[in-house]
Amino acid sequence: RKEVEQDPGPFNVPEGATVAFNCTYSNSASQSFFWYRQDCRKEPKLLMSVYSSGNEDGRFTAQLNRASQYISLLIRDSKLSDSATYLCVVSTGTASKLTFGTGTRLQVTL
Amino acid sequence: DGGITQSPKYLFRKEGQNVTLSCEQNLNHDAMYWYRQDPGQGLRLIYYSQIVNDFQKGDIAEGYSVSREKKESFPLTVTSAQKNPTAFYLCASSGRDPGATDTQYFGPGTRLTVL
Repeated sequence: RKEVEQDPGPFNVPEGATVAFNCTYSNSASQSFFWYRQDCRKEPKLLMSVYSSGNEDGRFTAQLNRASQYISLLIRDSKLSDSATYLCVVSTGTASKLTFGTGTRLQVTL
Repeated sequence: DGGITQSPKYLFRKEGQNVTLSCEQNLNHDAMYWYRQDPGQGLRLIYYSQIVNDFQKGDIAEGYSVSREKKESFPLTVTSAQKNPTAFYLCASSGRDPGATDTQYFGPGTRLTVL
């Protein structure tokens, strides 16, 4: 079983739609959780950290369910510019070592 | 501007040659990391360093070497012993933000192709 699992997609959605991604992790000792965004042939960029209480940043909402060991990302009112691959990232806190999922690809269309 | 720079952006190498990838940061971060990314796979950790003059192997260190002589710099050498070096190489750094967990920030990457 992979340490961090994501549906690779692609998710094809029209502009204005709401889309949700889920991610599961296997290590119950994981302490920190992140969503990164990666555009084609570019470096990953931090989208948001994920906190136990859930957090929101504009159109983006992240949730963490420790009991079920999954993380979610909700994007409301999708824009064409949201088209990218979204990486679920988990840390056990040991030397800040991160484990990356393979990513979920989102394509927003007109 | 604060950030992480990597050079070169594209690198071509003949089989049997060693190459060194540069990574520099001016964020005053203590920790630095090297990853490789292959199509359809997540980023995999090659080496990391939490402090100057110290570094540890990651999950796929074989065929690679690093040094950390300065806080700002963490070069990666891809040796001829690396069997499949063609990949996208990403450098990252992190520093302790007050009240927050460590967050890693990435450089723009170096795309290495072995001919």
